[in-house]
Amino acid sequence: DSGVTQTPKHLITATGQRVTLRCSPRSGDLSVYWYQQSLDQGLQFLIHYYNGEERAKGNILERFSAQQFPDLHSELNLSSLELGDSALYFCASRVGLAAYNEQFFGPGTRLTVL
Amino acid sequence: EDKVVQSPLSLVVHEGDTVTLNCSYEVTNFRSLLWYKQEKKAPTFLFMLTSSGIEKKSGRLSSILDKKELFSILNITATQTGDSAIYLCAVEAANFGNEKLTFGTGTRLTIIP
Repeated sequence: DSGVTQTPKHLITATGQRVTLRCSPRSGDLSVYWYQQSLDQGLQFLIHYYNGEERAKGNILERFSAQQFPDLHSELNLSSLELGDSALYFCASRVGLAAYNEQFFGPGTRLTVL
Repeated sequence: EDKVVQSPLSLVVHEGDTVTLNCSYEVTNFRSLLWYKQEKKAPTFLFMLTSSGIEKKSGRLSSILDKKELFSILNITATQTGDSAIYLCAVEAANFGNEKLTFGTGTRLTIIP
């Protein structure tokens, strides 16, 4: 158990809908990263928040947005869902920004868009 | 664009064999290279490498980084069925304070009893 929690575990929804995925980092970790893992793409970095501020963006679609709240939990919002958005979504947390701090991954949310 | 390439894509060996997994990379402003093991769900951290030539070891697993040739290897000796998993290599780069991890597609390792 990494100490990172994600809810829900599974989510099944229809095309065009909007969903919110939630991540609680390990106690004391200020950084939260979001990743998407699909069968054909591997793990793709989406976005990074540090202490409430957006720090870096990766291959995140405009239909997707995220935020990190004052209590450091983070939410990833996915809207106008398409079939291709079906994937495992992971969040990871890290103490700070230093290279010697590794990221710890949550158990993931499996999103299925029908 | 940052790039991480792992080989082989898939490997099937018998229990007790030794395996070597490869990871090569091209990134700007390298910070670290990480190895993760992914079984059913979330990747679990194995090693972080930042310096060339220094082997990191944990039980039967070891890893080393070559920053001149831009690659890393992960060795697993005396493999066991519990080693069956996808092994992911990731490289962290920091461009203008923009830290991000780029993952390879992974090596799927299957250990046959």
